[in-house]
Amino acid sequence: GAGVSQSPRYKVAKRGQDVALRCDPISGHVSLFWYQQALGQGPEFLTYFQNEAQLDKSGLPSDRFFAERPEGSVSTLKIQRTQQEDSAVYLCASSLSSTSTDTQYFGPGTRLTVL
Amino acid sequence: GENVEQHPSTLSVQEGDSAVIKCTYSDSASNYFPWYKQELGKRPQLIIDIRSNVGEKKDQRIAVTLNKTAKHFSLHITETQPEDSAVYFCAASPYTGGFKTIFGAGTRLFVKA
Repeated sequence: GAGVSQSPRYKVAKRGQDVALRCDPISGHVSLFWYQQALGQGPEFLTYFQNEAQLDKSGLPSDRFFAERPEGSVSTLKIQRTQQEDSAVYLCASSLSSTSTDTQYFGPGTRLTVL
Repeated sequence: GENVEQHPSTLSVQEGDSAVIKCTYSDSASNYFPWYKQELGKRPQLIIDIRSNVGEKKDQRIAVTLNKTAKHFSLHITETQPEDSAVYFCAASPYTGGFKTIFGAGTRLFVKA
């Protein structure tokens, strides 16, 4: 079946622009995670959704970062007034249930470059 | 604080040798420990995982061990092959009070033919 998909795959933004990154999780998956992966580093947790509810946003680095999942399926990560330090790969992952021991399936990521 | 330490950062082995990667975690509430393989420019893919009620798990050439008391877990790859070359990440979840999965910084494994 279809895995997790993300769009766009690459995004170049000028400093100060707003960007929106989309994640399509595996159909029926309850949990959805967003991560930020800097070059040469492990994924860093940003936020977690259980269906449409954002239950953990403790990893969002500033109030410029905002995520939503209004209908409990597709999610969007929005970054306002982008800065150079926002340059990274943004990964989305989904898992079947709300159980913490469920396997997370990752999307291919969106590589954001802020000039 | 929230932390998963992973060692070594780089590991080079000869084809056919074994490779061992070690991780430690800080939060005793963590009960799930997955390992991911990430090839250059690709998404992380789960290769094996272990839950806190088990001390060891094996899947063909890959095994993981967990020591809850010491908060250590390790990945063992036997009979390494060139296609095992990649970056490997350990992770621990959840963290007390939230739903975080915390990843290690990664180990770049090179298998020389």
